[in-house]
Order: sequence, then C-alpha cells, then structure tokens
Amino acid sequence: EAQVTQNPRYLITVTGKKLTVTCSQNMNHEYMSWYRQDPGLGLRQIYYSMNVEVTDKGDVPEGYKVSRKEKRNFPLILESPSPNQTSLYFCASSGDWYTQYFGPGTRLTVL
Amino acid sequence: GQQVMQIPQYQHVQEGEDFTTYCNSSTTLSNIQWYKQRPGGHPVFLIQLVKSGEVKKQKRLTFQFGEAKKNSSLHITATQTTDVGTYFCAGSPNQAGTALIFGKGTTLSVSS
Repeated sequence: EAQVTQNPRYLITVTGKKLTVTCSQNMNHEYMSWYRQDPGLGLRQIYYSMNVEVTDKGDVPEGYKVSRKEKRNFPLILESPSPNQTSLYFCASSGDWYTQYFGPGTRLTVL
Repeated sequence: GQQVMQIPQYQHVQEGEDFTTYCNSSTTLSNIQWYKQRPGGHPVFLIQLVKSGEVKKQKRLTFQFGEAKKNSSLHITATQTTDVGTYFCAGSPNQAGTALIFGKGTTLSVSS
C-alpha cells in the first residue's frame, strides 16, 4: 500500500530536549516536505526536499533541521524544542512536487 | 510576502444546500491544488488545476481556476454530512521546487 508514515504519532517532551520525528514514504517520490498546522494559521511549510541531499527552507524553518540521506526518509529534527513548537506536524511526499501525499501527523507538545 | 487567502474561514450549511470556498493569491500561480482534511485526519489531495480558466468536476464538486491564474474556487452542490471537513487550496508561484503556500482553509459543517 502506498503510504507516508510518521513516528511517533504523539509526543510530549520538555523544553530543550532534542527530538527527531521520522518520516518515510514507499512511493519512490523525489519530493518531500514538512508542514506544521496550527489553529487559525493553517498549514505552513517548514522545509522541503527535491531529492537526496537537496533541501531548502519553507515559510517557517526557524528552530528546525532536516536531512535527506535516503530517498524514502526525511526526518525532522528539533535540536532544542521550545513551547512555541507545540503543533501538529505533517510530512508529505510528492512525485511531481505539486500533488502532496500527507502522512497521518505527529502531535507534539513541548512543556 | 506571498500569500494565498481563502474565504470564508467557516461555513455552516443545512444538508442539501450548496457550498463555495474561494482562494485568492497575491501572485500568479503555476497551478493550484485542493485538499480536504476530515476532523482528526490528514489533508487528502482532491485535484490539481493547471490551465487558465480550467474547470474540473468530481461528482458534486466543481473546481475552477481563474483566467489570471490568481484565484480559484471549490463549489459543492447539495452538501452531504460526509462533506464535513476543512478544505484547503495550495499554490506555487512558478516551477517545482519553490515553497508551496497553503490557504488557511475553510471549515465546513453540515447539519442534517
């Protein structure tokens, strides 16, 4: 089954404790993205990747890092999480850049 | 900066009524996509429009892309309770690889 998976689905952590949210797709897509969704603000792109070792900033990259060492994986790294990074995070992949297939989401709470 | 505005933010209808959400960009878009997100779910791709003035239909849903490629609309005829959710438009100003900008979405509720 074609899908985008994210782990963990839910995470509660404390300020400053480094964390990684994993994202994996099995569709051989070149393009992958990370979004955060906040009430009243909609979906905002954090980072995107056009291929292995190619990443670029989206609208709200501050406080986040990504890496794309393999085509199927695109982890999101929060080196020092802060409460304003409490959000619902979605990973997405695309075969043509425009048509995004979203993962199930990761709900992150930073205390 | 570049923006994609979507209105209305919320819409409540009686089952059987029609519903329309509008999307407007500050810049010309190469194409536009529409997504639906059910409560508690993730956004799901509905359709992509590429050509100026393009109109596409999916059963009761009609999608339009404006002649200037700066606006779009989604119209649902005779809403059903299964149409409940948030509808997002998303656009990119030019070629692949530039940031994709989402509208803030229109949340539709339907009462039977």
